[in-house]
Amino acid sequence: GNSVTQMEGPVTLSEEAFLTINCTYTATGYPSLFWYVQYPGEGLQLLLKATKADDKGSNKGFEATYRKETTSFHLEKGSVQVSDSAVYFCALSGYGGATNKLIFGTGTLLAVQP
Amino acid sequence: NAGVTQTPKFRVLKTGQSMTLLCAQDMNHEYMYWYRQDPGMGLRLIHYSVGEGTTAKGEVPDGYNVSRLKKQNFLLGLESAAPSQTSVYFCASSSRQGASNQPQHFGDGTRLSIL
Repeated sequence: GNSVTQMEGPVTLSEEAFLTINCTYTATGYPSLFWYVQYPGEGLQLLLKATKADDKGSNKGFEATYRKETTSFHLEKGSVQVSDSAVYFCALSGYGGATNKLIFGTGTLLAVQP
Repeated sequence: NAGVTQTPKFRVLKTGQSMTLLCAQDMNHEYMYWYRQDPGMGLRLIHYSVGEGTTAKGEVPDGYNVSRLKKQNFLLGLESAAPSQTSVYFCASSSRQGASNQPQHFGDGTRLSIL
């Protein structure tokens, strides 16, 4: 079945360091891929998305490229800030008929230290 | 612009009690979802709805019931609460147009403890 695998956290970085959070997926067909972010005490917010192979999603300095050949959608940011500390979820959709039901990874906690 | 609103935000129940969690969205979305979030397990889909008057089971539906009598509201019920249902519950909604490409919009969650 469809699934999403994320690197386990926590990931602890110093401010201005480079960030990579790995995400790989297993899916039939051509899912859309998403990264969501969850700040403490809040719900999930869409960070970026990509809907087909080789698409690059980007937002707030974060980027991720839909790689069909490696079934990956790794999240990157060149210089993290303390305010980026949050839990990041990779997700895929496009299964389940007419709905856009999402399958989430387990989440990766990012802690950025000043 | 409220988006998705969940009530209550916190609740403590005793085993065997019942309660209803309310989700309201003001974006005219057709699809609505209930998830639970547990440590180390990400979000798991409990039930979902593709329109007013329709509901369907998700990944972990046992012990929960839902209703969608109005398009903007999606209710999650626990008939007889159990400690295993201690969790953070999130409601989400999304548009039907271009469904698989549309992001889901989440509420801030309900933190539920069952003693």
